[in-house]
Amino acid sequence: QVQLVESGGGVVQPGGSLSLSCAASGFTFSAYPVYWIRQAPGKGLEWVTVSSVDGGYQYSADSVKGRFTVSRDTSKNTVYLHMTSLRREDTARYFCARTEARSGGSYGEADHWGQGTLVTVAS
Amino acid sequence: SYVLTQPPSVSVAPGETAIITCGGDDIGTKSVHWYHQKPGQAPVLVIHLDTGRASGIPERFSGSNSGDTATLTISRVEAGDEADYYCHVWDTGSDHGVFGGGTKLTVL
Repeated sequence: QVQLVESGGGVVQPGGSLSLSCAASGFTFSAYPVYWIRQAPGKGLEWVTVSSVDGGYQYSADSVKGRFTVSRDTSKNTVYLHMTSLRREDTARYFCARTEARSGGSYGEADHWGQGTLVTVAS
Repeated sequence: SYVLTQPPSVSVAPGETAIITCGGDDIGTKSVHWYHQKPGQAPVLVIHLDTGRASGIPERFSGSNSGDTATLTISRVEAGDEADYYCHVWDTGSDHGVFGGGTKLTVL
């Protein structure tokens, strides 16, 4: 069955960096883009980023553009979210979720989600 | 940037029908997806592409989308339907994913 498992969360100081991993299994990893979506404590869902299946380009929310990048390692069926210049407002549970590329350059629903990994930005 | 507006809360008695709206400028031209999330759990896809039920979702759940409003309808509501519900679209104008603020469904 489709499974996504996030890891790498933890406590980091403001201005610091952290990389999250999303290990995928149960499907052809190279055929599906992956979203990163976050949820601050007690708040709603916020879309963060998506990258193309080959990692050639990505789209990101304005709140993280220039600070967060995505990479993929097809040999490990893993997507990474590299976060730099972290701010207190980046504190959230980060979910990865499988999606599909749609016509016209759009992306579809998040049909399978991981359980998330918690990132806390605090001094 | 594109904005999706949901009511913060909806309350309904068991057996009644819950209607959760998602408003957005000309949202009828976009594909809308719906998720539910129970406390401490990851979100789960409920409806995709406006009207399609995700795998394992009961027929009591249905979606529609027209004009400036998309709607998730839950018929014969059960206690187990109590959750936060989120709508989601891809905005091709900005190349951004967008979520609504979420609606807490309370079953009285």
